[in-house]
Amino acid sequence: DGGITQSPKYLFRKEGQNVTLSCEQNLNHDAMYWYRQDPGQGLRLIYYSQIVNDFQKGDIAEGYSVSREKKESFPLTVTSAQKNPTAFYLCASRGRDRRQPQHFGDGTRLSIL
Amino acid sequence: AQTVTQSQPEMSVQEAETVTLSCTYDTSESDYYLFWYKQPPSRQMILVIRQEAYKQQNATENRFSVNFQKAAKSFSLKISDSQLGDAAMYFCAYSSNAGGTSYGKLTFGQGTILTVHP
Repeated sequence: DGGITQSPKYLFRKEGQNVTLSCEQNLNHDAMYWYRQDPGQGLRLIYYSQIVNDFQKGDIAEGYSVSREKKESFPLTVTSAQKNPTAFYLCASRGRDRRQPQHFGDGTRLSIL
Repeated sequence: AQTVTQSQPEMSVQEAETVTLSCTYDTSESDYYLFWYKQPPSRQMILVIRQEAYKQQNATENRFSVNFQKAAKSFSLKISDSQLGDAAMYFCAYSSNAGGTSYGKLTFGQGTILTVHP
């Protein structure tokens, strides 16, 4: 079945450590997105990419980095510069048809050790 | 920048009754999409319903319907014949249909927690 796979489901980060969250899709979608969700809050956009080798900052990009070397993959790195990384991270993708909604992965829960 | 506001942090409904969740948004654009997503305790994001701004007819999906008031920038979700499985956090979201790099991004409201009582 087509879908979006996020891994790992749970991740722990030590102080000063960079960690990378994986997002893979087999929907042949051009656009991919990363969102952060804090407890009781809505989703906020971190980064997005509309084509391979191109990506744009979202509303809360500081302390995060991404790459888009393959259409299927859009990994998110949470750097040590992100001082409050504890949150739920959701990856999404969408095809070229603007009428289509975004499809979401199951998320990664990141916590600080 | 667009903003989305959900003014009801929590709502509750009796099973089989009807409930309406409110959403307002602010935009200077005329062409956009609005969505309602459901997030159950599993934290999956599930699309409930979608509305295209240039369509005057309100969208309907089975027990879910919207009341889209473009001039008032209001987009409420009505759930009829509520079921226990409808209990979740509901998010209203906006997406621009303008060209350029901004399209496709979703701007979310803060969410409304819906409790369904048996």
